[in-house]
Amino acid sequence: GDSVTQMEGPVTLSEEAFLTINCTYTATGYPSLFWYVQYPGEGLQLLLKATKADDKGSNKGFEATYRKETTSFHLEKGSVQVSDSAVYFCALRDDKIIFGKGTRLHILP
Amino acid sequence: ETGVTQSPTHLIKTRGQQVTLRCSSQSGHNTVSWYQQALGQGPQFIFQYYREEENGRGNFPPRFSGLQFPNYSSELNVNALELDDSALYLCASSLGSGVSTDTQYFGPGTRLTVL
Repeated sequence: GDSVTQMEGPVTLSEEAFLTINCTYTATGYPSLFWYVQYPGEGLQLLLKATKADDKGSNKGFEATYRKETTSFHLEKGSVQVSDSAVYFCALRDDKIIFGKGTRLHILP
Repeated sequence: ETGVTQSPTHLIKTRGQQVTLRCSSQSGHNTVSWYQQALGQGPQFIFQYYREEENGRGNFPPRFSGLQFPNYSSELNVNALELDDSALYLCASSLGSGVSTDTQYFGPGTRLTVL
């Protein structure tokens, strides 16, 4: 069945560092891909999405490109801030949405 | 425009009891999905309702059931609670019939503890 695998955390970086959180997927169809963020004590918020191959989703300085050939949707940001500390979930949606286990990100000032 | 709301925020039950969780969809949204998020894990899909009918279900037993009302609000019912049912239960709404491009908007969740 469909699945999402993302890098395990926690990931700890200094402010202004470059961020990559890896995400790969397996799917039988042509899913849409999403990144959600969960800040401490809050619900899930959509960060960005891509609906077809080679699409790039972007929001708040974060980017991810739908790579069908490598079945990947890695999340990147050029310069992280302390306020980016949260748990990040990669997800795919075909007939239903499937989430990865999440990656906790800590940004140190 | 109001977002997705859920009630109650927290709930404590004992094993064997039944629980009902409630969700109000974002204005104009006709599809609602429910998820279970165990501590330290990603959300797991329970089921989805579109215009008051279930149109998708994950790997959860029948003691997990739901309803969607004409105003598109929703309930999740869990019978015969087990300790492993302790989790954060998330509701998400979207506009559409569940196609893959729909964006889901999540509520803050209900934290259920089963003792």
